[in-house]
Amino acid sequence: RKEVEQDPGPFNVPEGATVAFNCTYSNSASQSFFWYRQDCRKEPKLLMSVYSSGNEDGRFTAQLNRASQYISLLIRDSKLSDSATYLCVVKENYGQNFVFGPGTRLSVLP
Amino acid sequence: NAGVTQTPKFQVLKTGQSMTLQCAQDMNHNSMYWYRQDPGMGLRLIYYSASEGTTDKGEVPNGYNVSRLNKREFSLRLESAAPSQTSVYFCASSEFGVHRNQPQHFGDGTRLSIL
Repeated sequence: RKEVEQDPGPFNVPEGATVAFNCTYSNSASQSFFWYRQDCRKEPKLLMSVYSSGNEDGRFTAQLNRASQYISLLIRDSKLSDSATYLCVVKENYGQNFVFGPGTRLSVLP
Repeated sequence: NAGVTQTPKFQVLKTGQSMTLQCAQDMNHNSMYWYRQDPGMGLRLIYYSASEGTTDKGEVPNGYNVSRLNKREFSLRLESAAPSQTSVYFCASSEFGVHRNQPQHFGDGTRLSIL
């Protein structure tokens, strides 16, 4: 089983839609969680960290369920510019290894 | 605000040639990383350096060596390039991991083709 798994995608949604991505991780010692976005042929960029109580940044909401070892990302009112691959990332608190999921590709259609 | 800088951005090599990919960060981060990204494989860790003077193998270290030259610089060397090493290489840095939610910051990548 892979350490970090994500919805396989791709997701094709119309502008204005709400879309949710799911991620599961296998290492219960994981303590830090992130969502990154990666545009085609570009480097990954931090979208948001994920906190235990859940957190929101504009149209983006991240949730963490430690008991189920599950992370989610919700995007409301999708924009064309949201089209990208979304990467789920987990890290042990005292380790240095960031583990990346394979990513879920999103295409927002006009 | 340079962040993480990688050189070169593109390179074509012949099988058996050697080369070094350079990475430098100006954020005073302790930890630095080298990844490769292949279609359908996601990001895979090659080597990382938790702090100046230390390096450790990641998931796919074979065929590579690294040097943490100082706190700012972390280089990746291919001693004898093979076609299987054709990939996009990303360097990243982060603050030391005792603090939660310290993310990684990435360079814009080196696209390497080996013929």
